[in-house]
Amino acid sequence: SQQGEEDPQALSIQEGENATMNCSYKTSINNLQWYRQNSGRGLVHLILIRSNEREKHSGRLRVTLDTSKKSSSLLITASRAADTASYFCATDLPVGGTSYGKLTFGQGTILTVHP
Amino acid sequence: NAGVTQTPKFQVLKTGQSMTLQCAQDMNHNSMYWYRQDPGMGLRLIYYSASEGTTDKGEVPNGYNVSRLNKREFSLRLESAAPSQTSVYFCASSDGLGMRNQPQHFGDGTRLSIL
Repeated sequence: SQQGEEDPQALSIQEGENATMNCSYKTSINNLQWYRQNSGRGLVHLILIRSNEREKHSGRLRVTLDTSKKSSSLLITASRAADTASYFCATDLPVGGTSYGKLTFGQGTILTVHP
Repeated sequence: NAGVTQTPKFQVLKTGQSMTLQCAQDMNHNSMYWYRQDPGMGLRLIYYSASEGTTDKGEVPNGYNVSRLNKREFSLRLESAAPSQTSVYFCASSDGLGMRNQPQHFGDGTRLSIL
């Protein structure tokens, strides 16, 4: 079963607006990663947040992690038409389990940014 | 710097035919992975190779076999293709399974249709 569940499934906004996507997961994690997928292409790594971190920034991206609620959010500020893509969260499970280091992906959020 | 290269990009097979999907990475990564992506299902791990010489089953291994030919190459074989294996297949690599906080790098996928 999928570890991550993403919300919303689809998001449509105007250029310049902010986009927020959420990810919930079920078990303890080592880290949580966000990936982007343009249509017809492979996934591209955006940002990684460790379980002991609460917030991380990279350019126009801001990721938060709340381990008590088992949830994360990805905020894209001042969105551009070029941000149109699918966004996936992926969880990396803790040391000690057989799944250590293997990622489990959510179903993704389709973001459309209108010019 | 090509990153992760997958061949072929597209393939149509008839039920019962066999084929091998090829993947090569030029980043000197230890770990490699095969995923399938179906609509609404996110990415699911088929097989992975933590290091050269080792392979292990992922979430959905039935109907597939893999070979870690050397450190660069990791192939996925369908021995007797079935329509349920129609999907987009992605290969990925990372510095090392079991190493903490490693992002994965993806190829652009092979789009496989089985009639």
